[in-house]
Amino acid sequence: QVQLVESGGGVVQPGGSLRLSCAASGFSLGVYGMHWVRQAPGKGLEWVAAMPGDGRNTYHANSVKGRFTISRDNSRSILYLHMNTLRTDDTALYFCARDRVWLAGFDYWGQGALVTVSS
Amino acid sequence: SYVLTQPPSVSVAPGQTARITCGGHSIGSKDVHWYQQKPGQAPVLVVYDDSARPSGIPERFSGSNSGNTATLTISWVEAGDEADYYCQVWDSSSDLQVFGGGTKLTVL
Repeated sequence: QVQLVESGGGVVQPGGSLRLSCAASGFSLGVYGMHWVRQAPGKGLEWVAAMPGDGRNTYHANSVKGRFTISRDNSRSILYLHMNTLRTDDTALYFCARDRVWLAGFDYWGQGALVTVSS
Repeated sequence: SYVLTQPPSVSVAPGQTARITCGGHSIGSKDVHWYQQKPGQAPVLVVYDDSARPSGIPERFSGSNSGNTATLTISWVEAGDEADYYCQVWDSSSDLQVFGGGTKLTVL
């Protein structure tokens, strides 16, 4: 069955860096578009970044552009989110999610990785 | 940037119909997707492409989209439907995914 498992979350100081991983199983990662979505404590969903299955392009929210980078290793079935210059308002639960079909709804989600940015 | 507007809360009695709206400029020209999120859980896709249901989602969940408003309709509401609901679109003019602010559905 399809599974997405995030890891790499933790506590980091403002200005620091962190790399999140999303291990995919039960399907071929290279066939599907993948996304990162975050949710600050008590708040709504915020889309962060996306990459289609072929990896030719990447898309990032304005709030993270220039600081975060989405990437993927299809041979290892892992999606990444490289986060630099972290700010306190980046504190959130970060989900990876699979596109049902590119840009047609996210049909599978992981359980999330918590990132806390605090001094 | 494109903005999606949802009412913060909707309340309905069991067995009644809940309608959750999602407003956006010419949203009828976009494909709208809806998610249900219960406390402590990841979101679940309940409607995609305006009105299609993923497998396993009850027929009680339906969607429509026209003009400046998309609507998620939940018929014969049950206590288990109590959750936060989010709409989502892809804004092709900016190449960004956009979520609405979310609507908390309370079953009285």
